[in-house]
Amino acid sequence: GAVVSQHPSWVICKSGTSVKIECRSLDFQATTMFWYRQFPKQSLMLMATSNEGSKATYEQGVEKDKFLINHASLTLSTLTVTSAHPEDSSFYICSAKRQVGAEAFFGQGTRLTVV
Amino acid sequence: QKEVEQNSGPLSVPEGAIASLNCTYSDRGSQSFFWYRQYSGKSPELIMSIYSNGDKEDGRFTAQLNKASQYVSLLIRDSQPSDSATYLCAVRGQAGTALIFGKGTTLSVSS
Repeated sequence: GAVVSQHPSWVICKSGTSVKIECRSLDFQATTMFWYRQFPKQSLMLMATSNEGSKATYEQGVEKDKFLINHASLTLSTLTVTSAHPEDSSFYICSAKRQVGAEAFFGQGTRLTVV
Repeated sequence: QKEVEQNSGPLSVPEGAIASLNCTYSDRGSQSFFWYRQYSGKSPELIMSIYSNGDKEDGRFTAQLNKASQYVSLLIRDSQPSDSATYLCAVRGQAGTALIFGKGTTLSVSS
């Protein structure tokens, strides 16, 4: 399978600060990347879909000005949580997909804790 | 609203038994179906993918798909304690769209 690297694996930040999470496809070109959020004992909820070189498409209820997504290259997408608050504390997971094929490959996830 | 439904469990089976996990989906146009395993605090890992009606076997795992009934299942034979995890059913509609996940079924295999 393809390798997707997500960094950092965990981060603790103060309320009001911003946090950037990186998602890299190491051995393939990811034309599409997806960002999910998972609260404890809940399933993965899609936040946004990003295609390389274009603006991300956000799911209903996800604030695009708060969760900034950049997909500047075929191997890198970033999610920036701006002005983080304790309710943003969650497990954030990226997923990358090749142009060909239905499978998507997941990063290791980032545990964000806002204090 | 596209939905994927799973029984949250927990499903408890003894070691060596067959575990049966079920999933239904609402979007009849769905084309790709996946089972992921997720350990606590970890990211999901892909176990099986299935795209056409019928059974697909890979080692101890068998995925079954019935598009007419909008139903997909996962059988785990000879269950091991290491299989204890949450199993997520995921469905993709059109190519390029995101996976829609069910809430997951927690499986507990006792030795």
